[in-house]
Amino acid sequence: QAVVTQEPSLTVSPGGTVTLTCASSTGSVTTGHSPYWFQQKAGQAPTTVIYDTNGRPAGTPARFSGSLLGGKAALILSGAQPDDEGDYYCLLSYSGVRVFGGGTKLTVL
Amino acid sequence: QAQLVQSGSEVREPGASVKVSCKAFGYPFTGYYIHWVRQAPGRGLEWMGWINPKNGATKYAQKFEGRVSMTGDTSLATAYMELSSLNSEDTAFYYCAPERGRLGFDPWGQGTLVTVSS
Repeated sequence: QAVVTQEPSLTVSPGGTVTLTCASSTGSVTTGHSPYWFQQKAGQAPTTVIYDTNGRPAGTPARFSGSLLGGKAALILSGAQPDDEGDYYCLLSYSGVRVFGGGTKLTVL
Repeated sequence: QAQLVQSGSEVREPGASVKVSCKAFGYPFTGYYIHWVRQAPGRGLEWMGWINPKNGATKYAQKFEGRVSMTGDTSLATAYMELSSLNSEDTAFYYCAPERGRLGFDPWGQGTLVTVSS
């Protein structure tokens, strides 16, 4: 089974920009992996932030965007807010089998 | 409004099985795959598998093959996840969520805590 790797932790200043990445042990991440990004706050179920590489569900603020960068999936947060603190997980698809990354703990400080 | 309601917490002894239910409200149950995801205390998310409620097709993570069974009852709009041969490492919150296109995985169930302890 593939291994999906994320940064364990990142810190961003309020109003700043941060990029979270998601790498696959099998090689470059492509749109075929249908990257998802989820946000999870303490004690809550996850919520979808980005679907299919760069799709933004209706409830996701426009400051979140998704893309492919340097062979990885990326979640870019522009204009970070204190409410954006939490754990972020990417999810990749391998012929229908999904694999989560280990998660990134994002601190807004 | 779409909602998934899961069954309550469970305690099992090692070696036992557990079956968690996930009842869907407010959206067409057979229209979207339902995924099962678990999270051990203080750990990350782990994908377990999905079921297509329309025809019962399933796909499981290799780690759980032979030990997990995902089923659905369209008349009750309910999905089930049964995990057997439990051990302490299976202690976790178990979540269900439909994959709904532009909505992403939405909504998520409230989670079911399964505790494996002797």
